[in-house]
Amino acid sequence: GDSVTQMEGPVTLSEEAFLTINCTYTATGYPSLFWYVQYPGEGLQLLLKATKADDKGSNKGFEATYRKETTSFHLEKGSVQVSDSAVYFCALQTDSWGKLQFGAGTQVVVTP
Amino acid sequence: EPEVTQTPSHQVTQMGQEVILRCVPISNHLYFYWYRQILGQKVEFLVSFYNNEISEKSEIFDDQFSVERPDGSNFTLKIRSTKLEDSAMYFCASSDRDRVRKEQFFGPGTRLTVL
Repeated sequence: GDSVTQMEGPVTLSEEAFLTINCTYTATGYPSLFWYVQYPGEGLQLLLKATKADDKGSNKGFEATYRKETTSFHLEKGSVQVSDSAVYFCALQTDSWGKLQFGAGTQVVVTP
Repeated sequence: EPEVTQTPSHQVTQMGQEVILRCVPISNHLYFYWYRQILGQKVEFLVSFYNNEISEKSEIFDDQFSVERPDGSNFTLKIRSTKLEDSAMYFCASSDRDRVRKEQFFGPGTRLTVL
């Protein structure tokens, strides 16, 4: 069945470091791909998305490119801040308005 | 900005009791979802709801679970007889019909603790 695999955390970084969180997926057809972020004590917020191959989603300095050939959607940010400390979830959706299927989540800790 | 709200933020109940978790989706949204996250595990889909009926449900969503949209604004998840393993954070989400956005907006969650 469809699934999402993302790198385990926690990932600990210093402020201004480069962040990469790997995400790969298995799906039939052409899913939409998402990154959600969960700040401490809060719900899930959409960070960025891509709906077709080679699309690049971007928001708040984060980017991810939908790579069909490698079935990947890796999240990157060039210079992290302490405020980026959160849990990041990669997710896919195979049907419009259908369920989201999430990866296990990656905790990111950014230290000053 | 409109947001999804959930009540209560934390519910403690005894095993075997019924609980109702409440959600108020964003007002013009038509698609509604429940997910749960057991501590330390991934977010799991429970059920989706559209046009006053269940669109899809997961294996987790057995006969002990039910959903309802009683009054056009609230969207509820009922667990009839709670088990210890139902302890989790439950998230409600909603989405509108916009084919471009298709974003699911999540509420802050209800932490359910079954003792």
